[in-house]
Amino acid sequence: QKEVEQNSGPLSVPEGAIASLNCTYSDRGSQSFFWYRQYSGKSPELIMSIYSNGDKEDGRFTAQLNKASQYVSLLIRDSQPSDSATYLCAVYTGGGNKLTFGTGTQLKVEL
Amino acid sequence: DAGITQSPRYKITETGRQVTLMCHQTWSHSYMFWYRQDLGHGLRLIYYSAAADITDKGEVSDGYVVSRSKTENFPLTLESATRSQTSVYFCASSSDITYEQYFGPGTRLTVT
Repeated sequence: QKEVEQNSGPLSVPEGAIASLNCTYSDRGSQSFFWYRQYSGKSPELIMSIYSNGDKEDGRFTAQLNKASQYVSLLIRDSQPSDSATYLCAVYTGGGNKLTFGTGTQLKVEL
Repeated sequence: DAGITQSPRYKITETGRQVTLMCHQTWSHSYMFWYRQDLGHGLRLIYYSAAADITDKGEVSDGYVVSRSKTENFPLTLESATRSQTSVYFCASSSDITYEQYFGPGTRLTVT
């Protein structure tokens, strides 16, 4: 079974710090990786996509992919209270445009 | 407005009743998906569709039926609702160019 693993948290960081969220996946053939943010009571919102090894930056967000080690991470710089949410890692492993989602890491940014 | 919408947003129904959740997208995306989200289980795929009249089961399809006669609509029907189907249901869509999925606002369904 293709799995995507995330630490459920909560991960607590002070305002202004860097939050580091990690995700591992089991299928070595995985091709595309996504990070979604989900506020309580809301739907998942796509915030980052990454397809190649290395870093991809978008504003305060950086996605990092290491296919050899089968992990993908999301760094949030200068964390704000508005970043408090659950972050879902999703992996495309081939077939039907289906994604496999992790159960999410809850992030709390404290004042 | 463009995007993906779901209706109703909230629904309470009784055990044994049939209920249909609606999903509509305006992007002309080929792929559409239905998920349920429950505490401790994350997002679980119920059904997906690659195009009109093409649907396939996900990991938790028992008790659910879908249809897709038009590209923009993907209704999900619970044929005989059970309490275990109490959940939040999300519809999503993606193009056939990227694998990025975009989610609707969700339907919170309670089966009493």
